[in-house]
Amino acid sequence: NAGVTQTPKFRVLKTGQSMTLLCAQDMNHEYMYWYRQDPGMGLRLIHYSVGEGTTAKGEVPDGYNVSRLKKQNFLLGLESAAPSQTSVYFCASSYPIRGGSSFQETQYFGPGTRLLVL
Amino acid sequence: SQQGEEDPQALSIQEGENATMNCSYKTSINNLQWYRQNSGRGLVHLILIRSNEREKHSGRLRVTLDTSKKSSSLLITASRAADTASYFCATDETGGGNKLTFGTGTQLKVEL
Repeated sequence: NAGVTQTPKFRVLKTGQSMTLLCAQDMNHEYMYWYRQDPGMGLRLIHYSVGEGTTAKGEVPDGYNVSRLKKQNFLLGLESAAPSQTSVYFCASSYPIRGGSSFQETQYFGPGTRLLVL
Repeated sequence: SQQGEEDPQALSIQEGENATMNCSYKTSINNLQWYRQNSGRGLVHLILIRSNEREKHSGRLRVTLDTSKKSSSLLITASRAADTASYFCATDETGGGNKLTFGTGTQLKVEL
């Protein structure tokens, strides 16, 4: 199992350019997440998905869009990149709810994508 | 907003010593998790403690949870240089939906 993979590993963009970050998982997880990590800020949730075809906003969704067309993939899009979006982006996935519980189980993280917007 | 706040922000110890990190949170939770992040890498899950548990062990790790004080601690015993990393607590808030809220982390450095 490859676990959670992210593409690309590093990217430099100019202000106003667009790009898509790809996250893929081979663990058959229902839930997938996109975070950004900035120095001293910990991880902040951008968007997440609880299943194929569904997405929801997290703590810092502005300037980002997501799609979950296939269960194993979760795409994060930047339509018009801004320097404030310079960050390290992490994708994560987790098991589905079991037995009707709403508890959140362990999340499995990808290696991250380092994005620099000039 | 950040739910968990780790204390201290940075910790430097000698190999063989114990390392203790604390996490405080604001709302009621279903569970609390600890993750480790090595420099330049993704986060790795260490341990999960549920709201009805008070203490949990995993190898050299010991986690405690005090829901009355809304706090948790992570103890790493007999630390090794390989334990050098950032450690984050994450909370599954009651009624918070299908997501975790991460703290700002503690940077641990274990020196030889």
